Amino acid sequence: EAEVAQSPRYKITEKSQAVAFWCDPISGHATLYWYRQILGQGPELLVQFQDESVVDDSQLPKDRFSAERLKGVDSTLKIQPAELGDSAMYLCASSLDMSYEQYFGPGTRLTVT
Amino acid sequence: AQSVSQHNHHVILSEAASLELGCNYSYGGTVNLFWYVQYPGQHLQLLLKYFSGDPLVKGIKGFEAEFIKSKFSFNLRKPSVQWSDTAEYFCAVNPSGNTGKLIFGQGTTLQVKP
Repeated sequence: EAEVAQSPRYKITEKSQAVAFWCDPISGHATLYWYRQILGQGPELLVQFQDESVVDDSQLPKDRFSAERLKGVDSTLKIQPAELGDSAMYLCASSLDMSYEQYFGPGTRLTVT
Repeated sequence: AQSVSQHNHHVILSEAASLELGCNYSYGGTVNLFWYVQYPGQHLQLLLKYFSGDPLVKGIKGFEAEFIKSKFSFNLRKPSVQWSDTAEYFCAVNPSGNTGKLIFGQGTTLQVKP
């Protein structure tokens, strides 16, 4: 069964450092989502791509976060500089298209010290 | 603002007990509704979904949910839980016509005692 791949699975970084996460969606899925899940809460959408275009980045803190999906396949989410409050699980999900169910990857757990 | 509320944060049941987890949302238009489950050490998985039609939907592993439009609710049920149902459960809403974005509730941790 095809799955969404994410790396790294765990990342510890010091505040003010840069950090990057990678996501490889299920093959053929046009829509890719990045969510942030703070401990004890549900996931919250950061950014959504349709192919290589950003559809929704209204909740992305653009002063420090950036995301790209250059060829409409895999995607990278970057934080620079990281802050203590960025400690969370970063989830990637993909779907065949925007109206279809989303499949989630295992996530990257970020700890900022 | 659109929001999803899950009433129970932590539920403890014995095996064979019946389960009902509440979910309410605040959105006046047409919605697509989902329940996701996260077993310990695993990623989020879709349990069931409602797009349209019969408001009683059946999912995997014996779970079902009922959409009550007048109450803005989508409660999850299972007649008899098993120890293997221990997990975190998330209700999510996609306002129809939206971009596919899911709005999640805060989650309910279910602990089933053998």
